Amino acid sequence: QLQLQESGPGLVKPSETLSLTCTVSGDSISTSTYYWGWIRQPPGKGLEWIGTIFNTGSTYYSPSLKSRVTISIDMSKNQFSLTLSSLTAADTAVYYCMREKGGGSSFNWGQGILVTVSS
Amino acid sequence: QSALTQPPSASGSPGQSVTISCTGSSNDVGGYNYVSWYQQHPGKPPKLVIYEVNKRPSGVPDRFSGSKSGNTASLTVSGLQAEDEADYYCSSFAVGKIIFGGGTKLTVL
Repeated sequence: QLQLQESGPGLVKPSETLSLTCTVSGDSISTSTYYWGWIRQPPGKGLEWIGTIFNTGSTYYSPSLKSRVTISIDMSKNQFSLTLSSLTAADTAVYYCMREKGGGSSFNWGQGILVTVSS
Repeated sequence: QSALTQPPSASGSPGQSVTISCTGSSNDVGGYNYVSWYQQHPGKPPKLVIYEVNKRPSGVPDRFSGSKSGNTASLTVSGLQAEDEADYYCSSFAVGKIIFGGGTKLTVL
């Protein structure tokens, strides 16, 4: 049974950098045919795709976030991570990690982690 | 403003059918057969109910079906049940990105 679990800080200050990690169990990132990625949802609002990564290291980022986002993989820990810099209040959201078949079909999701950007 | 347009709300009585639309452009919905639909209950992560326009993941009831015509995709929920009350989001592949609709709140009357 595939499980995804997000971890990281729940509160970050404006202008700082957010780092989140997704720990995967039930599949091996290094041999998987799936993509791995992040989607966020501001409180009371809709979903926003952030980006995805494949185990070859190929990454795909939202054009609106590309200058501030990095997604990376740690195969030794079967984890992938999100880094988002220059945070503002607009980045306050629930951040979900997910496993995607390709073409944007996110079959598996973590429970989500609420990140609040506030001083 | 969301890139894909969904009606903000939809409703139906138990046993009825409801269809939710998702309108994009030839650069996304109309250009690729990579439309997905997600169901989200309050406080829960989204759940994939339709992928690649009309395919159902394992475990999703066949009451859920998807289709596409031109730049508009549709999700139909037949035989409405109380547990179908949720927010529904469409998404589409576009070159280099994935875009979402603004979501539709489905109410079972």
